[in-house]
Amino acid sequence: AQTVTQSQPEMSVQEAETVTLSCTYDTSESDYYLFWYKQPPSRQMILVIRQEAYKQQNATENRFSVNFQKAAKSFSLKISDSQLGDAAMYFCAYRSGRDRETSGSRLTFGEGTQLTVNP
Amino acid sequence: NAGVMQNPRHLVRRRGQEARLRCSPMKGHSHVYWYRQLPEEGLKFMVYLQKENIIDESGMPKERFSAEFPKEGPSILRIQQVVRGDSAAYFCASSPVRTSSYNEQFFGPGTRLTVL
Repeated sequence: AQTVTQSQPEMSVQEAETVTLSCTYDTSESDYYLFWYKQPPSRQMILVIRQEAYKQQNATENRFSVNFQKAAKSFSLKISDSQLGDAAMYFCAYRSGRDRETSGSRLTFGEGTQLTVNP
Repeated sequence: NAGVMQNPRHLVRRRGQEARLRCSPMKGHSHVYWYRQLPEEGLKFMVYLQKENIIDESGMPKERFSAEFPKEGPSILRIQQVVRGDSAAYFCASSPVRTSSYNEQFFGPGTRLTVL
């Protein structure tokens, strides 16, 4: 079974600074997807960024980027120019690449990292 | 295009009562997932359904919990004889079929169940 580990229960960053959230995972599969979700106080789950395991290039979405190290099974999230609105719980998630042509694969989440942004 | 809708947003039940949580997927989505988030924890998969079929229920507790996704109407997560340990946020997600390799799951706002 796949597992996802987020070793930082809490992180803080100064506004406009950069912060990196860590995520490691364990799998025997070679085809899979990785995601970072943000959960603000409203509890709505918002997709931040995603990465396909077979892609070497790290995904980037505006101020958010990842450092995907497949051999090390590491998938960290970097937030640049942090803003007050970035304050939230961040979850790393894994999805198997099996049954790619259907939606047939659950997400496995880590325990989350609570990010505080200080003004 | 309306997002995934869940109702009620908040549900209070006394021990022994039944809880019914509803999820209407995004238009055009025929796949529904239910996840549970206990306090201070991440989301845990419960069940995956397609219309009229349960595909994967390996995350569902063996007793008191059931789920359905009928041909017409929303998906229902039903918890019978609730206990305090069932207090949690229950999230529904939906996804389309064959639209992209990611098959992204779109989440609803969740239902927060409190058992007194």
